[in-house]
Parts: sequence; C-alpha cells; structure tokens
Amino acid sequence: DGGITQSPKYLFRKEGQNVTLSCEQNLNHDAMYWYRQDPGQGLRLIYYSQIVNDFQKGDIAEGYSVSREKKESFPLTVTSAQKNPTAFYLCASSQAANTEAFFGQGTRLTVV
Amino acid sequence: KNQVEQSPQSLIILEGKNCTLQCNYTVSPFSNLRWYKQDTGRGPVSLTIMTFSENTKSNGRYTATLDADTKQSSLHITASQLSDSASYICVVSAESSASKIIFGSGTRLSIRP
Repeated sequence: DGGITQSPKYLFRKEGQNVTLSCEQNLNHDAMYWYRQDPGQGLRLIYYSQIVNDFQKGDIAEGYSVSREKKESFPLTVTSAQKNPTAFYLCASSQAANTEAFFGQGTRLTVV
Repeated sequence: KNQVEQSPQSLIILEGKNCTLQCNYTVSPFSNLRWYKQDTGRGPVSLTIMTFSENTKSNGRYTATLDADTKQSSLHITASQLSDSASYICVVSAESSASKIIFGSGTRLSIRP
C-alpha cells in the first residue's frame, strides 16, 4: 500500500526529555512537512523539506529539529526547549511544493 | 496578512439534511484552494482542490465552489450521513512555496440521527 506512516500514534514524554516522531512515505514524494495542531486552531507549519538533505523552518520551528537524510523519511525531534509540546503532530508529503498533500494519521504527544 | 477564516466554527444537523460551510481568505497571490475532511484523531484527507479558473468541483455528495473575485469558497454537503461527522478544513496556497500554505481552523460538523 502506498502512503505516509507516522509512529507512534500516542507518545508520552517527561518534561526535559527529547523525543523523536517518525514519518515515512513510500509515495516517492519530494516534499515533506511537519505540522502541529492544537484545539480550535489551524495547522501550523513547523518544518518542511522540498528535497533530500535540505529543509527550512516553518512558522513555529523553535524547540524542534528535523533531518532529511532519505527521501522517504522526515523525522521530527521535539526538544526540551519546546515550551508547550503537548499537541497533535501531523506529517504530510506532496509531489512538489504546493501540490496536493497527503497526511499521515498523526502522533499525539503528551508531556507528563 | 495571509489569513483563512471559516464559518461556522461548529454545526449540528440532522442526518439526511444538507449544509454549507464557508471559507473566506485573504491569501495573495492565490494559487489553489483545497477542502480537507479530518476525522477525530486522524490525519486530514483531501476532498477537492480548485485553482483560480475553477468555480465548482464535486466529489460525490461534496460540492465546492470558489469565487476568486470575492475570495470566498463554500463546501456543500448533500444528504448528510453520520459518517460526515468530522472537521472540515479549508486550505489556501499562495505561490509555489511550501511555506505559503495557510490552514483555516476548521468547521466541526456533527450529524445527529
């Protein structure tokens, strides 16, 4: 099956710990994105990558880091510097920038 | 400032009824507008995508309209079903840049039997 896979679905983290969210796609898409979704708000862009080994900050990149070593993978690390990390995180991919995006099923991160 | 505003914020209708969701945007220059359906705790799924030259597009019981002059779009759902209960998100893209994709905050639709 072609698609985009996020794991894990639920994640709990203690304050002060870094945690990495996985995102893998087998759609052969060049562009990948990470969004954060909070209740009552639109999705906000954290980081995006339009090609392997290159990525750019989105609107709310502080406290997050990413890598794009392989075309199919775009992991997101939530660092201890992120002040309010509890949220629903969505990964997406598209053939190119600004074409239709396909979303993963999301990871709900809770800081305890 | 690029913005996408959706209304109403939430809506409850009876099964079988029709409804229309609204999206107003100030994104410029306009590239395309998409409607997504997002079930609770899941990722959004694309319903329609419309470019500047298109003013109507249908996907089954979903029909989207676009008025590029007034910068308004609507999503009409016909003969609603319980499975239509979800959030509907309007997304507007400006230029050909991944950073210029603006998401509305969504309309939460609940269908009652």
